[in-house]
Amino acid sequence: GAVVSQHPSWVICKSGTSVKIECRSLDFQATTMFWYRQFPKQSLMLMATSNEGSKATYEQGVEKDKFLINHASLTLSTLTVTSAHPEDSSFYICSVGTGPPGEKLFFGSGTQLSVL
Amino acid sequence: LAKTTQPISMDSYEGQEVNITCSHNNIATNDYITWYQQFPSQGPRFIIQGYKTKVTNEVASLFIPADRKSSTLSLPRVSLSDTAVYYCLVGDSSRAGTALIFGKGTTLSVSS
Repeated sequence: GAVVSQHPSWVICKSGTSVKIECRSLDFQATTMFWYRQFPKQSLMLMATSNEGSKATYEQGVEKDKFLINHASLTLSTLTVTSAHPEDSSFYICSVGTGPPGEKLFFGSGTQLSVL
Repeated sequence: LAKTTQPISMDSYEGQEVNITCSHNNIATNDYITWYQQFPSQGPRFIIQGYKTKVTNEVASLFIPADRKSSTLSLPRVSLSDTAVYYCLVGDSSRAGTALIFGKGTTLSVSS
């Protein structure tokens, strides 16, 4: 399957600052990547679909101006949490789809964000 | 997207076979069934995927009845390291860029 590298693994930041999370597809050219967030003891929640060379598609309730997604190449998508607040503290996970038929998602190792 | 229902939790002992059933009553014709495993503070890991009948790989088997309204993940001879959350997902995998929506998952606890 696809190898997905996510960086950093964890980050601590102060309220009001911005944090960038990188997701790289190491062995697969991904036209589409997905960003999820996960709170403790809960399931993954889809935030947005990142499309190479075009604007991301955000799920209902996810602020596009707060969670900036850039997918400038077939191997890299970034998620920037702008003006972070403590309620943004969460586990953020990216994934890469392998394409049809029977598309499978392969996930990065996740980024634990703690906002003080 | 088809909604899935799984047991919230299951307990087992080492060496036993574990079967986790997932119901997806409104599965669509193009939908595949995919199972993932997640350990704490890690991204989910792909286990197995199927469309109908039975699929087997080196770690698990997936049984899908003819009506495809449910599926069963079978883990043979579990060990302590199989303690994790298991997610059953259903989605249209016939076209690229179809995100998978996660349900609540099943927390499997394996004891010695």
